[in-house]
Amino acid sequence: QQQVKQSPQSLIVQKGGISIINCAYENTAFDYFPWYQQFPGKGPALLIAIRPDVSEKKEGRFTISFNKSAKQFSLHIMDSQPGDSATYFCAALTAGNKLTFGGGTRVLVKP
Amino acid sequence: DAGVIQSPRHEVTEMGQEVTLRCKPISGHNSLFWYRQTMMRGLELLIYFNNNVPIDDSGMPEDRFSAKMPNASFSTLKIQPSEPRDSAVYFCASSLRTGGNEKLFFGSGTQLSVL
Repeated sequence: QQQVKQSPQSLIVQKGGISIINCAYENTAFDYFPWYQQFPGKGPALLIAIRPDVSEKKEGRFTISFNKSAKQFSLHIMDSQPGDSATYFCAALTAGNKLTFGGGTRVLVKP
Repeated sequence: DAGVIQSPRHEVTEMGQEVTLRCKPISGHNSLFWYRQTMMRGLELLIYFNNNVPIDDSGMPEDRFSAKMPNASFSTLKIQPSEPRDSAVYFCASSLRTGGNEKLFFGSGTQLSVL
């Protein structure tokens, strides 16, 4: 059972455009929602994270929007750059400290 | 700090052979995780340790898989006997558990190919 559903599986955006990745969850016990970025041949690395008591968090060009009632959250990459081309994973943490990942979104930013 | 160190980076073996993957977590971290990544199933948590003690191994596929953490600076994931369907990238990650902000630091992974 996939507890965190992520979409789209891939997306292509022009340099300077906005990349948007969406995630949905069902387990209301999740209380911490990080996003990880993975480059080819590397392990995932934490990019940004949010707790459900906050509706939005911004760090540089990366913004998480969180809708607790809809059990959805999204990552927005503003002014996308070729260096942002990577696979992005949303995740959710339960009180038991198990981090469950979404299926991943491969982002390609064209120059 | 050198980060989480995994070895080997690549492993090619034949079906039926024993495979041992190794991990050195970041010094001072108290939690260690083993993940498996495939195209079909994404990132799956296999097992995690807290203070060297296995906490949850519900993700371990079957008895052919075993993991140990004899001390705070070393862990192994063993597959015996290996099968072609075990081919995947295996990641080790560590974290310093501080009350719910679980920031995982991943190693570069071991690419396992079972022929």
